[in-house]
Amino acid sequence: AQSVAQPEDQVNVAEGNPLTVKCTYSVSGNPYLFWYVQYPNRGLQFLLKYITGDNLVKGSYGFEAEFNKSQTSFHLKKPSALVSDSALYFCAVSSREGYQKVTFGTGTKLQVIP
Amino acid sequence: EAGVTQFPSHSVIEKGQTVTLRCDPISGHDNLYWYRRVMGKEIKFLLHFVKESKQDESGMPNNRFLAERTGGTYSTLKVQPAELEDSGVYFCASRLSVSYEQYFGPGTRLTVT
Repeated sequence: AQSVAQPEDQVNVAEGNPLTVKCTYSVSGNPYLFWYVQYPNRGLQFLLKYITGDNLVKGSYGFEAEFNKSQTSFHLKKPSALVSDSALYFCAVSSREGYQKVTFGTGTKLQVIP
Repeated sequence: EAGVTQFPSHSVIEKGQTVTLRCDPISGHDNLYWYRRVMGKEIKFLLHFVKESKQDESGMPNNRFLAERTGGTYSTLKVQPAELEDSGVYFCASRLSVSYEQYFGPGTRLTVT
């Protein structure tokens, strides 16, 4: 069975500082990896995905994520946090054999402090 | 292009009652998914439609949940009778068959009292 772990319920970072939201995964075979963001009273919004190719993936709003196969991680990063980045972030995985079914982590609340 | 829409946005019902949630996917998206997030926990897969056919319903909690997608367009998820543990946010997502990306709706917050 595939699974995702987001070890931090909440991450606090000062505006302008770099941010990292951690994610590790478990899946049979090679993974498809995703990050989604949920702003208050809004649906899940796609940020970025790793399918194949370069391990560093760039996405929306200046976010990027690095796929590390040996550590089975896909941490979300941004060089300089904005207050407007404050939201709930979900990491997700699916296997290539059945990529239609996505498994999510529990979510990490990012709080950017002005 | 209109996104995935869900109705209602919020529903409060009593234990034992019936509720029907609706999802309208993005036009042309054959794949439609239902997910649920119980407070503070992960978003869990419920089921997957390809057009009007159920491709995978392994995540459906029990037979009180019934999903349909007549005509391969919108989908409904009925909970009958509702129990307290059914409370949560129900998300719908749709996807083009040639894409990896699922587009999510805003969710329906279901509260069973």
